[in-house]
Amino acid sequence: SQTIHQWPATLVQPVGSPLSLECTVEGTSNPNLYWYRQAAGRGLQLLFYSVGIGQISSEVPQNLSASRPQDRQFILSSKKLLLSDSGFYLCAWVGGLAGYSTDTQYFGPGTRLTVL
Amino acid sequence: AQSVAQPEDQVNVAEGNPLTVKCTYSVSGNPYLFWYVQYPNRGLQFLLKYITGDNLVKGSYGFEAEFNKSQTSFHLKKPSALVSDSALYFCAVLPSGGYNKLIFGAGTRLAVHP
Repeated sequence: SQTIHQWPATLVQPVGSPLSLECTVEGTSNPNLYWYRQAAGRGLQLLFYSVGIGQISSEVPQNLSASRPQDRQFILSSKKLLLSDSGFYLCAWVGGLAGYSTDTQYFGPGTRLTVL
Repeated sequence: AQSVAQPEDQVNVAEGNPLTVKCTYSVSGNPYLFWYVQYPNRGLQFLLKYITGDNLVKGSYGFEAEFNKSQTSFHLKKPSALVSDSALYFCAVLPSGGYNKLIFGAGTRLAVHP
């Protein structure tokens, strides 16, 4: 069964529109959470990470922001999308859960965002 | 600066032949080392990791990786490739320290031909 969920799976948005992507994790408490962007099916860029509710660290200054309103929920947002925001957005978690290591990041299924 | 290098953009292998995907790293201390696989339009799947101990680590789907401290390498291997192994492979390093922030290589695309 899926432990980490992302939605939507795909999204097509016009330039200048707002964005909200959601990531939730099941079955664990106080996980570290991460947002990555993957452009052109290649390398991963760490965007944000969070070690707890309301605690967000930004890795790259940009048009995006992140929030963690609940322990197992991580949201990626933008007020106005740019063409360069297109990509594959991945959420990942690290935490304690039976069958999962506490030193390994586990990734969600991703959201494909196309900005037109 | 800390970095991970995957020197090959693509590796081509015939089905049934052994495969190697290379990874070298430049990180101080004793980092943890990981391999992930990504199929098209999917998230990354954890394959295996090295923390300490035996230099040969076995993981999912018949993959293994060999840690070489002197060469700071962590090459991914499989004795007999399958067409279904075709995917994008990422090497990653977790430096000593907090927050589990991984450093990823750029990825290597593996193409296994029938």
